[in-house]
Amino acid sequence: DTEVTQTPKHLVMGMTNKKSLKCEQHMGHRAMYWYKQKAKKPPELMFVYSYEKLSINESVPSRFSPECPNSSLLNLHLHALQPEDSALYLCASSIRTVGNTIYFGEGSWLTVV
Amino acid sequence: ELKVEQNPLFLSMQEGKNYTIYCNYSTTSDRLYWYRQDPGKSLESLFVLLSNGAVKQEGRLMASLDTKARLSTLHITAAVHDLSATYFCAGENYGGSQGNLIFGKGTKLSVKP
Repeated sequence: DTEVTQTPKHLVMGMTNKKSLKCEQHMGHRAMYWYKQKAKKPPELMFVYSYEKLSINESVPSRFSPECPNSSLLNLHLHALQPEDSALYLCASSIRTVGNTIYFGEGSWLTVV
Repeated sequence: ELKVEQNPLFLSMQEGKNYTIYCNYSTTSDRLYWYRQDPGKSLESLFVLLSNGAVKQEGRLMASLDTKARLSTLHITAAVHDLSATYFCAGENYGGSQGNLIFGKGTKLSVKP
């Protein structure tokens, strides 16, 4: 089973709302990631968690707040977003060691109004 | 900083024809990944190429890696309509944390009868 599950699949939120995106994997992977993909663009890395610790933050604005409660779960808390934050948010995971396949979830489509 | 360039960005093929997508990268990359993305969908892992001279094949797709030339290719044999999608190559910064994939802009492939 090579599945990364993301919820919700679609989210519309106002600029003053607080919402969260959730991601779950049961493959025993110890590295989890958030990527952002704008329409017709390649994905861009936002955050990397390794063994539940944040190891990379690609200068993402503080209105995005990641959380890794345990090795299977990854959340992305959203607050005071801007319309330009509307995008597909992709969660991914891989075995800790490098050179392994990175598996992506189906993504959460976010629209900020 | 690693830069990844793909060409062509758009490719219209007839069924049954062969073609190659090229992926050049600017600095040493530990690994080279190929992903497929259907419209409105997430990324599907196709290949992970780990070393110079690596060649992997799956169905009508074959990927290769030449680390000396900093070039990877994705060769399509006897294209069929089902292969229509956007194909991304991605490199990983040498010595960097895993998961920090730098994607090319993608090649949008359209296979016509």
